Amino acid sequence: KQEVTQIPAALSVPEGENLVLNCSFTDSAIYNLQWFRQDPGKGLTSLLLIQSSQREQTSGRLNASLDKSSGRSTLYIAASQPGDSATYLCAVRGSEKLVFGKGTKLTVNP
Amino acid sequence: DGGITQSPKYLFRKEGQNVTLSCEQNLNHDAMYWYRQDPGQGLRLIYYSQIVNDFQKGDIAEGYSVSREKKESFPLTVTSAQKNPTAFYLCASSALRYGYTFGSGTRLTVV
Repeated sequence: KQEVTQIPAALSVPEGENLVLNCSFTDSAIYNLQWFRQDPGKGLTSLLLIQSSQREQTSGRLNASLDKSSGRSTLYIAASQPGDSATYLCAVRGSEKLVFGKGTKLTVNP
Repeated sequence: DGGITQSPKYLFRKEGQNVTLSCEQNLNHDAMYWYRQDPGQGLRLIYYSQIVNDFQKGDIAEGYSVSREKKESFPLTVTSAQKNPTAFYLCASSALRYGYTFGSGTRLTVV
């Protein structure tokens, strides 16, 4: 059974800092990995999707990497801003469904 | 714009009552999903459907029912058998190459 772990559970940083969120998964037989953002009381917004054949994806200040053999992904956020404050969720897709980690709650302080 | 519409945004259920949450998508995705989110528990899969007129139980299907009569629609009914229905419910659709898209959620409260 696939298990997804996100470390740390919570992170507080000053504005402007570069930061890394970690995600690990137990079964390397995945189709893709997706990073989401969730603001309080809202739905999930997709940030980046990495197919199993890819090593990384970039969108603006965000960069996500995937090392399928070691079961790890990282989300790098450059020059963090208070508007980046949210919960970040990592999810891996197996043959039929998505399995989520419990998320990292990020707070960026002005 | 393509997306997923969930309604209502807030829903209140009395004890012993069945309620139905709506989920509609115009992304032409074959697969649709219902998740439940509780504080500190993460997202848990309730039901999913990969094609019209077919659906499978997820990890916490007891007390819930679904139908998939149209590709665009995947309503979730929370029955009176669900003893602790207060939660945030999220609907999603997917296409393998394009990942998952989520709706904005329905917050259900028992009164």
